[in-house]
Amino acid sequence: EIVLTQSPGTLSLSPGERATLSCKASQIVTSTYLAWYQQKPGQAPRLLIYGASSRATGIPDRFSGSGSGTDFTLTISRLEPEDFAVYYCQQCGGSWTFGQGTKVEI
Amino acid sequence: QVQLVQSGAEVKKPGASVKVSCKASGYTFNTYAITWVRQAPGQGLEWMGWISVYDGDTKYAQKFQGRVTMTTETSTNTAYMELRSLRSVDTAVYYCARVAVVAANPSFYYYMDVWGKGTTVTVSS
Repeated sequence: EIVLTQSPGTLSLSPGERATLSCKASQIVTSTYLAWYQQKPGQAPRLLIYGASSRATGIPDRFSGSGSGTDFTLTISRLEPEDFAVYYCQQCGGSWTFGQGTKVEI
Repeated sequence: QVQLVQSGAEVKKPGASVKVSCKASGYTFNTYAITWVRQAPGQGLEWMGWISVYDGDTKYAQKFQGRVTMTTETSTNTAYMELRSLRSVDTAVYYCARVAVVAANPSFYYYMDVWGKGTTVTVSS
């Protein structure tokens, strides 16, 4: 099973700042199998990025994904108040797995 | 619009079974797979498995093998997840999600693009 390790666990930032979230895999992940999700309290997760770098429909361009192999990154260029949430990376190779999440807080 | 509507909250005793439903609308049901993900209170997301609506093929996370069954009923556009031999650690919100599988020569994109709102399952004596 591929283990995804996200860092940091919590990111404390202010609106307008840049957020950089890391996701490291225990084995190589095919880029097309790597996605990022946002979850707010009491809500279901929402797809942000698929294929490591493709934005899902309706996702603002301040969200971007990059990376390949075992290292992937989600960047939020300028945090808006609605972006404070928990973010998960996830891979679909073999047995699917999620990272443990990064909380972006004010 | 595309949506997945899940069944209501359940309270079960240890050792019992629960069957959660997920009714799809707004798209052609058998052109996507359905996956199930759970989230224990205050914890992260845990993948349980998925089912191909097209041919009924399933893949379960090893942790749940032998205890979970995922099915679909194409006549009603509904997917089901049954979890047996419940214990207190199974207390969680259970989500269904639509899985898009899109050709990306020579590979495929896989991602969960539409989610249900979740079903709370509480296991308590």
